[in-house]
Amino acid sequence: SQKIEQNSEALNIQEGKTATLTCNYTNYSPAYLQWYRQDPGRGPVFLLLIRENEKEKRKERLKVTFDTTLKQSLFHITASQPADSATYLCANLHAGNNRKLIWGLGTSLAVNP
Amino acid sequence: DTGVSQDPRHKITKRGQNVTFRCDPISEHNRLYWYRQTLGQGPEFLTYFQNEAQLEKSRLLSDRFSAERPKGSFSTLEIQRTEQGDSAMYLCASREANTEAFFGQGTRLTVV
Repeated sequence: SQKIEQNSEALNIQEGKTATLTCNYTNYSPAYLQWYRQDPGRGPVFLLLIRENEKEKRKERLKVTFDTTLKQSLFHITASQPADSATYLCANLHAGNNRKLIWGLGTSLAVNP
Repeated sequence: DTGVSQDPRHKITKRGQNVTFRCDPISEHNRLYWYRQTLGQGPEFLTYFQNEAQLEKSRLLSDRFSAERPKGSFSTLEIQRTEQGDSAMYLCASREANTEAFFGQGTRLTVV
């Protein structure tokens, strides 16, 4: 079955450093991957989408890469701030007509001042 | 339109009672999804609508769960005879074709 895996261990970094989160997928080739941010008790908020024919996508301090050979996407936050502390979820649209999202479990990021 | 709206934000109910949640998607979005999320897990797919048609329902969902989208706009999710295992955050999302999904704030259900 299609599966998305993210680092389950929380990531703790110092303010100003670059945070890098990993998303690996198995048993399929997604057309694109999406990254979301989720704060406690709130719904996920869309951040970035990268398509299979794109190597890299940027938005302000965020950067996403997509390596179809490694079956991996990396999500980077540069110049991290304490306000970036949240859980980051990787998701893909399931192949098929309904296009439901398949989610990883998310990686918790804590940026320390 | 400020986004996807869910009501209520929180619901506490006694085991065995029925509950109903409402989702108002972004108005021009014809696709609507319900997900369930428990602590430390990613969202779990429940069901999907395209306009008023319910095109898929998760096999994980028991017959106690039902969802409707009568006019292709808002949707309701009903849980009958609630059990403690139903306690979770219920998320609604909407989108247009080939775009990202926009989520509501969720309804947190606690069954006591």
